[in-house]
Amino acid sequence: EPEVTQTPSHQVTQMGQEVILRCVPISNHLYFYWYRQILGQKVEFLVSFYNNEISEKSEIFDDQFSVERPDGSNFTLKIRSTKLEDSAMYFCASSEAAPGGGQPQHFGDGTRLSIL
Amino acid sequence: AQKITQTQPGMFVQEKEAVTLDCTYDTSDPSYGLFWYKQPSSGEMIFLIYQGSYDQQNATEGRYSLNFQKARKSANLVISASQLGDSAMYFCAMDLPGSARQLTFGSGTQLTVLP
Repeated sequence: EPEVTQTPSHQVTQMGQEVILRCVPISNHLYFYWYRQILGQKVEFLVSFYNNEISEKSEIFDDQFSVERPDGSNFTLKIRSTKLEDSAMYFCASSEAAPGGGQPQHFGDGTRLSIL
Repeated sequence: AQKITQTQPGMFVQEKEAVTLDCTYDTSDPSYGLFWYKQPSSGEMIFLIYQGSYDQQNATEGRYSLNFQKARKSANLVISASQLGDSAMYFCAMDLPGSARQLTFGSGTQLTVLP
């Protein structure tokens, strides 16, 4: 069964450094998402991406964050000038269509980001 | 504003028994989807089951079923014949109105299956 692939599984970065989290969504999916889960807390929406542009973003997704689909397969989340509070599990998800039409979002296994 | 509530932070169930995990929601949008995800201790998010607001029948997927009561705004997950491997965190989620219908999650229920 096709799956969403995320790399790396764990990223350790010094505070203030830039980090890029990578995702390969399921190949025929059109909607892409990034979510964040701080340890012990609920999953929070960051940003959605469709047709090569951001369609929705949360208040968490400020100028520190950016997303890109540099080619036909990869979907990346860049965090500039990382802060301690950016430490979390970051999930990429994709959907064949907007889920209101009955299509679930499929999640990757996540990247655990640790900021030192 | 859309909201998902899971009132059971932890649940215990005996192996082979059935268990119900509660989820209530609040939305003014007539078109919405409700989802359940399983998160084992390893951290990945596994999609379990989906219910659309216009679906007439309760969704079922193997041992998972969704008890959808629209008037009460509840979407409880029922796991039949619990297995030790079902021990995990379970999240209820709802999609939000908007072009991409991103998900909002509840706080989760930690299920422990006892041998």
